[in-house]
Amino acid sequence: GAGVSQSPSNKVTEKGKDVELRCDPISGHTALYWYRQSLGQGLEFLIYFQGNSAPDKSGLPSDRFSAERTGGSVSTLTIQRTQQEDSAVYLCASSLAGAIQWEQFFGPGTRLTVL
Amino acid sequence: DQQVKQNSPSLSVQEGRISILNCDYTNSMFDYFLWYKKYPAEGPTFLISISSIKDKNEDGRFTVFLNKSAKHLSLHIVPSQPGDSAVYFCAAWGQGNLIFGKGTKLSVKP
Repeated sequence: GAGVSQSPSNKVTEKGKDVELRCDPISGHTALYWYRQSLGQGLEFLIYFQGNSAPDKSGLPSDRFSAERTGGSVSTLTIQRTQQEDSAVYLCASSLAGAIQWEQFFGPGTRLTVL
Repeated sequence: DQQVKQNSPSLSVQEGRISILNCDYTNSMFDYFLWYKKYPAEGPTFLISISSIKDKNEDGRFTVFLNKSAKHLSLHIVPSQPGDSAVYFCAAWGQGNLIFGKGTKLSVKP
């Protein structure tokens, strides 16, 4: 079956522009996570959606970052007024439910470059 | 402040030998640990995990050891194969999400 997909695979933008990154989770997965990996760093948790519950936004680095999950499926991560330090690979993962016994399946990521 | 640390950014091993990847953590409340493997241009994939109630978990060529008193875990790959060449991330489950280390790039030479 289809895995987690993300689009675009690569995005180059100019400083100050807004960008939207999309994640299509595995069908039926209620939990969805966004992470980012900056150069030389590990995966940094950004935000977590579980079903219809309010998302856990504790990892978002600033108020320029926001995310939505429509209809409990597709999610969009929006970065407003991008800065060069936002350059990273943004990874989305989904799991059957939001508990550790459910494996997180990752998408291939979106590589964002802010010039 | 990093809660999960992988202090070796890279490791090179000869094919057929053992690869040992190390990970340290600071939060004694972590109760579940995972290893992920990542190839270039792909997302990480789950490899093996261990609960804090155990000190060893084995799956084929992969074994994870947990030393709770030292807050240390390690992944052993025996025998190492060229296809094992990838970045390996250690992760701990804490506060409802995964906390990852920076990764160790393993190169297995034929």
